[in-house]
Amino acid sequence: GENVEQHPSTLSVQEGDSAVIKCTYSDSASNYFPWYKQELGKRPQLIIDIRSNVGEKKDQRIAVTLNKTAKHFSLHITETQPEDSAVYFCAASRTDSWGKFQFGAGTQVVVTP
Amino acid sequence: DSGVTQTPKHLITATGQRVTLRCSPRSGDLSVYWYQQSLDQGLQFLIQYYNGEERAKGNILERFSAQQFPDLHSELNLSSLELGDSALYFCASSPHPEISEQYFGPGTRLTVT
Repeated sequence: GENVEQHPSTLSVQEGDSAVIKCTYSDSASNYFPWYKQELGKRPQLIIDIRSNVGEKKDQRIAVTLNKTAKHFSLHITETQPEDSAVYFCAASRTDSWGKFQFGAGTQVVVTP
Repeated sequence: DSGVTQTPKHLITATGQRVTLRCSPRSGDLSVYWYQQSLDQGLQFLIQYYNGEERAKGNILERFSAQQFPDLHSELNLSSLELGDSALYFCASSPHPEISEQYFGPGTRLTVT
């Protein structure tokens, strides 16, 4: 089955700097890669996703890149703000898995003013 | 607010007992997923239903079962509870059974004493 590894497990950045989180996946048939943000005690919320027919996707300060050959994808947050502090989860899924996501272990991001 | 509702918000019960967690998907969503999130852990996929039928199973214990009713709400039943079952249980919904964004409910925090 699919295995997703996420690094780093914790990330401290100064406000205004960029943050990058990387995930690798094992199943070359995976074709959907969402990113979720979870604030303490709250629900995971989808912040951006990418499908395997696209190499990069941007939404304001957030971007995701996908390298299918290397089987890794990354989340980039620019101009970080204190409200970006949260746990971020990546996930991978494939069409025939009926939406069954394999989540990474999560990255605790702390943005210090 | 994602539109997914879960009840109850909190549940405290004793070992050996049985509980039922309830989830109502977003209006129009036919697919429901259940996840377990233990303290400081990632999201573990338990089970998925689509339009009343089981579609995918993850690491769900035999003591756990679920179903989706004709009105599309879903229930997760946890029996013979153990201390290690203490966790946040999330329900998510999506419009299709195939890969697509999932919208998470607020979760039910289960404490087994």
